[in-house]
Amino acid sequence: NAGVTQTPKFQVLKTGQSMTLQCAQDMNHNSMYWYRQDPGMGLRLIYYSASEGTTDKGEVPNGYNVSRLNKREFSLRLESAAPSQTSVYFCASSDHLAGGPDTQYFGPGTRLTVL
Amino acid sequence: LAKTTQPISMDSYEGQEVNITCSHNNIATNDYITWYQQFPSQGPRFIIQGYKTKVTNEVASLFIPADRKSSTLSLPRVSLSDTAVYYCLVGGRRTGGFKTIFGAGTRLFVKA
Repeated sequence: NAGVTQTPKFQVLKTGQSMTLQCAQDMNHNSMYWYRQDPGMGLRLIYYSASEGTTDKGEVPNGYNVSRLNKREFSLRLESAAPSQTSVYFCASSDHLAGGPDTQYFGPGTRLTVL
Repeated sequence: LAKTTQPISMDSYEGQEVNITCSHNNIATNDYITWYQQFPSQGPRFIIQGYKTKVTNEVASLFIPADRKSSTLSLPRVSLSDTAVYYCLVGGRRTGGFKTIFGAGTRLFVKA
């Protein structure tokens, strides 16, 4: 049981390049999330997917797109990378119950540098 | 979503009890309070969660007063390995899913 996995662990891009960050979970969770964390800051929600087939914007969606490929996988795409997108990206999943609390499980993160 | 306010940093010594308080004046009726711990270069890790009164697990206790406008995470007898950032989150099920907002967190430094 690997939990939440993310690939790649590190990536360096040039301004204008594109890339896709991959995330997969093996806990059969319905909801998945993408966050970014800048140095010394808390996490900010980029996009989330409440269930397979649905996605919605978080706090900072500009410059990103997502795809909920199936229940296990949720990818984040940068179409034209900018230096302001240099950050650590975390994927998370949760098993929130209807009307109940939500507990999120996080992946190890992808460290992205845009030059 | 309710905004949370926590102290930016706290210092403690090994073996002491540490209490971190989070203010969430605009908490909604169906919101839960969740605390996460984050070590450098790692993703946040769930510590404890509650709705009201007191919750205790093997790691921490969570105290929530009757008005639920604040909560206190209590770490008993901290060790050096408890040095981390602690986040308080408030949220609940919304139409379309569960949306969360992380604040800046509280940086706890445990000294020998």
